[in-house]
Amino acid sequence: EAGVAQSPRYKIIEKRQSVAFWCNPISGHATLYWYQQILGQGPKLLIQFQNNGVVDDSQLPKDRFSAERLKGVDSTLKIQPAKLEDSAVYLCASSPQTGYSGNTIYFGEGSWLTVV
Amino acid sequence: QQQVKQSPQSLIVQKGGISIINCAYENTAFDYFPWYQQFPGKGPALLIAIRPDVSEKKEGRFTISFNKSAKQFSLHIMDSQPGDSATYFCAASMKGGSTLGRLYFGRGTQLTVWP
Repeated sequence: EAGVAQSPRYKIIEKRQSVAFWCNPISGHATLYWYQQILGQGPKLLIQFQNNGVVDDSQLPKDRFSAERLKGVDSTLKIQPAKLEDSAVYLCASSPQTGYSGNTIYFGEGSWLTVV
Repeated sequence: QQQVKQSPQSLIVQKGGISIINCAYENTAFDYFPWYQQFPGKGPALLIAIRPDVSEKKEGRFTISFNKSAKQFSLHIMDSQPGDSATYFCAASMKGGSTLGRLYFGRGTQLTVWP
């Protein structure tokens, strides 16, 4: 079974520039998450999709971050304009079931962003 | 506000020793407590998980101990090996509501096992 695919793996941009990350979840997984992991900290949820609808985006800085999930499959996360504090690993994850707190969540390898 | 508090931040253990990582939570709505293992350059991967209706769960060398009344849970790694060197995260998710399935992570423990 193929895992969660993310691209690009690494990106360096200047502050105020924009960047986009792409995620392809495990086939058939209804729920997709974007987490932000700052160096030395645990992942923090940015946004959660159920199929192509947003379930939770309360932690998403909406003035600069946006995300969409096309046709309930792939997803993109965009940052515009980027700030220095956005330097982090952006982890995409997916899980198979809905309405269940015990879902195993599968993570991709992450997209590493450095803002200079 | 950190929903799940984890300690220690780093841990060094001799090969063959026992590694113990502790976590605590306040929100009684949490009903699922997984541990994730993360190697450098990789995403976190589920290691073992427990629900609060049991006090202990063991899978191979990995054991979760759960104390519902104290709202604490811990990961024990028996016979620690150099290959266990990684960052370990405890997490929790809650039943019900729009955040169903969302994981709240601790800050992580960097484990180093010396040969």
